[in-house]
Amino acid sequence: GAVVSQHPSRVICKSGTSVKIECRSLDFQATTMFWYRQFPKKSLMLMATSNEGSKATYEQGVEKDKFLINHASLTLSTLTVTSAHPEDSSFYICSARDRASGTEQFFGPGTRLTVL
Amino acid sequence: QKEVEQDPGPLSVPEGAIVSLNCTYSNSAFQYFMWYRQYSRKGPELLMYTYSSGNKEDGRFTAQVDKSSKYISLFIRDSQPSDSATYLCATLTDSWGKLQFGAGTQVVVTP
Repeated sequence: GAVVSQHPSRVICKSGTSVKIECRSLDFQATTMFWYRQFPKKSLMLMATSNEGSKATYEQGVEKDKFLINHASLTLSTLTVTSAHPEDSSFYICSARDRASGTEQFFGPGTRLTVL
Repeated sequence: QKEVEQDPGPLSVPEGAIVSLNCTYSNSAFQYFMWYRQYSRKGPELLMYTYSSGNKEDGRFTAQVDKSSKYISLFIRDSQPSDSATYLCATLTDSWGKLQFGAGTQVVVTP
């Protein structure tokens, strides 16, 4: 199956710093990538939809200036958590939609962010 | 009202039993339905997807969609301890690929 990677897998940072998370589709082209946030024992909450070459579309209640998304190519999207605070600590997961197959979406392994 | 409802469990079954998982959804326009498996601290893995009503089988897994009652099910036959995970149902809500997930059901298969 298609592979999506995320880097880093785990990051610990101090409050006030910015953290960048990369999402890559390794063996397919992704027209659309999605960013989710997941709290312990909770479901995935969609944060934003990222289309290659255009601005991301954010879900209601998600601060676009706080969570900067860049989809620079058909295989790479980045999420930058700016001026991170402890309440931003969470599991962040990206997914990528395979351009060829249309409906299928493949998830990355997730990035655990801990803000001290 | 949430668009997709799923009992979070946990659901504990003995090894070899059939695991039965269910979700309900609210929008009759939804056509694509997915089941994902998520192990602890990992990303979700697509198990099966179905289009419209009917059954789909893949090995020990069977997915069912009943559009008349807006009910989707996943059955796991001959369950194994390695099936212990959280199972999330999801529906495709727009042409861009946006998914709406259920809460996820934690399944524990005991040896």
